Amino acid sequence: QKEVEQNSGPLSVPEGAIASLNCTYSDRGSQSFFWYRQYSGKSPELIMSIYSNGDKEDGRFTAQLNKASQYVSLLIRDSQPSDSATYLCAVISDNYGQNFVFGPGTRLSVLP
Amino acid sequence: GAGVSQSPRYKVTKRGQDVTLRCDPISSHATLYWYQQALGQGPEFLTYFNYEAQPDKSGLPSDRFSAERPEGSISTLTIQRTEQRDSAMYRCASGSLAGVTGELFFGEGSRLTVL
Repeated sequence: QKEVEQNSGPLSVPEGAIASLNCTYSDRGSQSFFWYRQYSGKSPELIMSIYSNGDKEDGRFTAQLNKASQYVSLLIRDSQPSDSATYLCAVISDNYGQNFVFGPGTRLSVLP
Repeated sequence: GAGVSQSPRYKVTKRGQDVTLRCDPISSHATLYWYQQALGQGPEFLTYFNYEAQPDKSGLPSDRFSAERPEGSISTLTIQRTEQRDSAMYRCASGSLAGVTGELFFGEGSRLTVL
C-alpha cells in the first residue's frame, strides 16, 4: 500500500465552480500535511499546510484534515483556468523523520 | 543564492556511464532533499541532508545511487553504471525549517535520459 494516495484525475471543473481534491495516507502517526501545486513542466510549490483536525482557509483555498479517517482534502473555490495544474499531497510522519512523502498527484483542469 | 539551482538541466548518457547531478540550495538552508520524478507521477523521495549529515537514504533505489553534501551546502547525486530505468527528472529541494513549515523550495530539476 502506497503511503499517500490520490486520484490521478484528470478532474475537470467549469470556471467558477468548486474543485475538491482528496488524499489519504497510511501512517496513522502522521502529523504534518501539505498541498503543493505543480504546473506542467515546472517545479512543485507549496500552497497550503495543515496540522490540526478541521479546516484551514487561505483565500480561495481551504484545506481539511481528518486524522481519524486519515484523510486530507483541498477545496478550491471560484476555480480559475490558471488553477489548472497537478496538485500534490505531501505528508510528514514521525516514522519518516523529516522525510516528505508525496502522493502521485491529481491533475486538475478548469474549463473556461 | 536566490533560489535552488540544479545542473545540468538536461543530461543524455549511454547505459553504463556514470552521471553526477549538482544542487546548489538556497544559502543558509539546513535541509536538502533529492527526489526522482517520473512523468505524470509525484516526486519519489531518494534521500535528505541536515547540513552535511544524511539521516535518511532509504529511498535510494540501489547502491548505484549515492549523494553527498560534504560542507553542508552544495550537494551532488551520483548514479553509477546508469540503466535505462534511471531516466527521470531529478529534483532537489531545500528548506530552512522544512520539517516545521513544510516549505520546500524546489530547483528546476535535472532531466536524465539514459539511452
